[in-house]
Amino acid sequence: DQQVKQNSPSLSVQEGRISILNCDYTNSMFDYFLWYKKYPAEGPTFLISISSIKDKNEDGRFTVFLNKSAKHLSLHIVPSQPGDSAVYFCAATDSGAGSYQLTFGKGTKLSVIP
Amino acid sequence: DGGITQSPKYLFRKEGQNVTLSCEQNLNHDAMYWYRQDPGQGLRLIYYSQIVNDFQKGDIAEGYSVSREKKESFPLTVTSAQKNPTAFYLCASSRTGYGYTFGSGTRLTVV
Repeated sequence: DQQVKQNSPSLSVQEGRISILNCDYTNSMFDYFLWYKKYPAEGPTFLISISSIKDKNEDGRFTVFLNKSAKHLSLHIVPSQPGDSAVYFCAATDSGAGSYQLTFGKGTKLSVIP
Repeated sequence: DGGITQSPKYLFRKEGQNVTLSCEQNLNHDAMYWYRQDPGQGLRLIYYSQIVNDFQKGDIAEGYSVSREKKESFPLTVTSAQKNPTAFYLCASSRTGYGYTFGSGTRLTVV
């Protein structure tokens, strides 16, 4: 049973436009969400996170939106740059469980076309 | 600089052999994790450890073993019982309340 779902395996966007990556979750206990970026043959790096007490968190070109009622979050990248081309993983955790173990989606490969 | 180091970056194994992947961190993180990445599969949890001398199986632990004798180290052994070991292996660590810091990964290939 996949608790974190990224239904789009890939996304292509023109440079300068907005990239929107989506993520859905099924576990209503999840209350902290993160996005990681991964280049080939490298480990993922942390990008941005959001707590369930917020519905938006912004960091430069990156904004994450959380819709708790829909169990949906999205990552917006504006403007998109060629260096943003990577695989993006959505992750979630139940902070009340004590372990802070993350559950990951399968990832979305973003290609930004110059 | 603090970080998490995986070695080797590339590893070749003959069928029937056990191999051990190294993971060391100097971040003073309590928890450490091993994930496996396959194309289209995302990151799947193999084992994790929240404290020294204690570890738990993840979703795909069969054919793998770990140890946590020191806080800094969490080696993963891929045994001959693992039917399809060719994959990219990622180690991560975390401090309670924060996200993961990942290593740079080890690419294991069975030849």
